[in-house]
Amino acid sequence: DQQVKQNSPSLSVQEGRISILNCDYTNSMFDYFLWYKKYPAEGPTFLISISSIKDKNEDGRFTVFLNKSAKHLSLHIVPSQPGDSAVYFCAASDSGGGADGLTFGKGTHLIIQP
Amino acid sequence: NAGVTQTPKFRILKIGQSMTLQCTQDMNHNYMYWYRQDPGMGLKLIYYSVGAGITDKGEVPNGYNVSRSTTEDFPLRLELAAPSQTSVYFCASSYAGTETSGNTIYFGEGSWLTVV
Repeated sequence: DQQVKQNSPSLSVQEGRISILNCDYTNSMFDYFLWYKKYPAEGPTFLISISSIKDKNEDGRFTVFLNKSAKHLSLHIVPSQPGDSAVYFCAASDSGGGADGLTFGKGTHLIIQP
Repeated sequence: NAGVTQTPKFRILKIGQSMTLQCTQDMNHNYMYWYRQDPGMGLKLIYYSVGAGITDKGEVPNGYNVSRSTTEDFPLRLELAAPSQTSVYFCASSYAGTETSGNTIYFGEGSWLTVV
């Protein structure tokens, strides 16, 4: 059973507009959430994270929102740029130490159209 | 700044062969991981290690073995390769997290393995 779900396999957004990527989770023990970006033939690269004690974290064009009651988080990219075209993975861990790694969603392929 | 380095990048194995994927990190991270990613799927944890001499199974450990003799190195061994092990393998590392900062995992470039 998937504990981290990204229900949109792909998303197409026009350059300059806002991209919103969504992620749902089922494990109420998750307390730390991350977004990774992956280009073809490369490893995932860390983008932004949020702890469960916050509901928003911002880094430049990227903002992550966390709604604990709905077990939902989203990544907003504003404005979207061609270089943002990639697969985005949502990930979660259930302890501050996270020794057993992260649980990943299946990813959303974001395509930025000119 | 090398980060996490894994080799080889690409490899074709015959069924029943064995091989080792090498992984080294230069960030002095205590935690290291091996993940695999199948097409259209998320990353699944194979094995992890919280420090030299300590390893634990992840979600999909069958058919693999690991060792952690040093902080820097975490090789993954495939014994008796099977077509089901055709996948992309990612080595990763992190510091131990805290309740407020969690642990951000940093990945290598990936190793593409095909078993025929």
